[in-house]
Amino acid sequence: GQQLNQSPQSMFIQEGEDVSMNCTSSSIFNTWLWYKQDPGEGPVLLIALYKAGELTSNGRLTAQFGITRKDSFLNISASIPSDVGIYFCAGQLKDYKLSFGAGTTVTVRA
Amino acid sequence: GAVVSQHPSWVICKSGTSVKIECRSLDFQATTMFWYRQFPKQSLMLMATSNEGSKATYEQGVEKDKFLINHASLTLSTLTVTSAHPEDSSFYICSDMGQGSTYGYTFGSGTRLTVV
Repeated sequence: GQQLNQSPQSMFIQEGEDVSMNCTSSSIFNTWLWYKQDPGEGPVLLIALYKAGELTSNGRLTAQFGITRKDSFLNISASIPSDVGIYFCAGQLKDYKLSFGAGTTVTVRA
Repeated sequence: GAVVSQHPSWVICKSGTSVKIECRSLDFQATTMFWYRQFPKQSLMLMATSNEGSKATYEQGVEKDKFLINHASLTLSTLTVTSAHPEDSSFYICSDMGQGSTYGYTFGSGTRLTVV
């Protein structure tokens, strides 16, 4: 499948900090999606982006679809303990299949 | 939003047996559903596309005779892992294809398969 490069691979957060992660690709995607997965659960949609350049917010989450349609970032502001989990970006191809990034694991800094 | 129900949430089976996993769309008709496989600490890998009333299409490297997919109705797709072996142990997840103008695919809660 298409390769999405997601970074960072992992990060530690302290409550109240802002968190940022991004995905890049050499391919163009029609839609970018950001998901969060808790252990033993399926991914849950956070934000969907449909248009190049689109900036969308969902509560403390903000994501943007790059103007070239080859990248996207997700920001989490004022993080809270329940923000821990694995975040995945996913790009939708023309045949409606999704290609996932490797994930960013967010954990709480002790 | 859409609701996708997956069952069972976990299953342990003996090597050589077959296991069926069900994925139901509860509030809409799903002509297409997707099946993924996820190994620990890894991302989701698309296995196949399940099409209602027709044969599933499999991704490269996925054995269609090993992973049988049936999508006989608009609300149910099933994945059967045949003659399971320990290397088939994984987390299997299904999803819909989004609906209307919202292409945020909804995922099932996943099935943890352990083959002993």
